[in-house]
Amino acid sequence: QSALTQPASVSGSPGQWITISCTGTNSDVGGYKYVSWYQQHPGKAPKLVIYEVSNRPSGVSHRFSGSKSGNTASLTISGLQAEDEADYYCSSFTSIKNWVFGGGTRLTVL
Amino acid sequence: EVQLVESGGGLVQPGGSLRLSCAASGFTFSNYWMTWVRQAPGKGLEWVANIIQDGGEKHYVDSMKGRFTISRDNAKNSLFLQMNSLRVEDTAVYYCARGWAVDSWGQGTPVTVAS
Repeated sequence: QSALTQPASVSGSPGQWITISCTGTNSDVGGYKYVSWYQQHPGKAPKLVIYEVSNRPSGVSHRFSGSKSGNTASLTISGLQAEDEADYYCSSFTSIKNWVFGGGTRLTVL
Repeated sequence: EVQLVESGGGLVQPGGSLRLSCAASGFTFSNYWMTWVRQAPGKGLEWVANIIQDGGEKHYVDSMKGRFTISRDNAKNSLFLQMNSLRVEDTAVYYCARGWAVDSWGQGTPVTVAS
């Protein structure tokens, strides 16, 4: 199972919004509603920010939103804040009943 | 509060074995699928394996099938990962995680495979 494709890095200024894409295939992202997004600060464990494509767990800021079109899922962060600077990973269920992660995207808040 | 505490990591020679453990608390362990995920130094996350609530169904990433075995003890709220025939490329932080679609993570236990 190949890793999902994410941009290596994205950046934005405080208050702006950014979008991180996550591209897979019909056998993963495109075939299921089970796409999750995780935020990971340096030296810390990942934290779930979006599940089932577009649902936000309790306690996660409303500035985080998710969507999907075809084989590509997207995470949007609006009103960027310094604390959003982190690595972000997408993950999808697959047709062989495994899960696969994206390669990760480093978000820099300028 | 969900707590997942991994242990058992360390330094091992290539070809050796390690057994990782994860102690779960703050939720009804037997109600959840459980998952192992790893992260090599400076690299991204890699899904390793998961196990159904009663232990009767398990899934592995292809590269670890036959070498790694996931198991659980619901009476002790514990998850395990038996790792055999370890390779240098298995060096990583290993995370215990809750859920079929992971929603909570432990802090991880480091595994270093080196001679």
